[in-house]
Amino acid sequence: AQSVTQPDIHITVSEGASLELRCNYSYGATPYLFWYVQSPGQGLQLLLKYFSGDTLVQGIKGFEAEFKRSQSSFNLRKPSVHWSDAAEYFCAVGNNAGKSTFGDGTTLTVKP
Amino acid sequence: GAVVSQHPSRVICKSGTSVKIECRSLDFQATTMFWYRQFPKQSLMLMATSNEGSKATYEQGVEKDKFLINHASLTLSTLTVTSAHPEDSSFYICSARDSGAGGRSDTQYFGPGTRLTVL
Repeated sequence: AQSVTQPDIHITVSEGASLELRCNYSYGATPYLFWYVQSPGQGLQLLLKYFSGDTLVQGIKGFEAEFKRSQSSFNLRKPSVHWSDAAEYFCAVGNNAGKSTFGDGTTLTVKP
Repeated sequence: GAVVSQHPSRVICKSGTSVKIECRSLDFQATTMFWYRQFPKQSLMLMATSNEGSKATYEQGVEKDKFLINHASLTLSTLTVTSAHPEDSSFYICSARDSGAGGRSDTQYFGPGTRLTVL
């Protein structure tokens, strides 16, 4: 069975500071990995995804994530956070049938 | 990019009534759509996989007679919450896989969600 753990429920960073959101997964084969962002009362927006190839993935809004098979991790990073980045972030692992399992999410607060 | 719409965005209904939520892929065909529910401050939980022209596949613990899913065309799936009760109040989100030649079938596109409140 596939599963995702996001160890940090809530993270607060200052505007302009760097950000790293952690994600660990469990999956029997090569996983499809995703990061999504959700603003309050809204649906999910895909930030980036990893299927194969280069383990450092670039996404939208200046986000990137690195797939580390040895650590079963897919952490999301951004070098300089903007106030508009405050939202809920979900990591997900999927299979080739398109079925995804989501982590519990990390709430990002950005201090001015 | 691929767009998925949901209608309605918000619905309030009385206990015992049925509510239908539509999920449409606007610019691509989707043989497979997924229905999730999300409680406040919680993650998305997959309810069922909707397959065009065939019966939906429900996750363990989801009542198929309560949450009726119909995927009658390549661009439309509907979720009907039958005899709704207050505990069914939740945020329902659908997603669709692009099954066209130009799409990546392993990528889901999410709708904006439907907020259901049952009084």
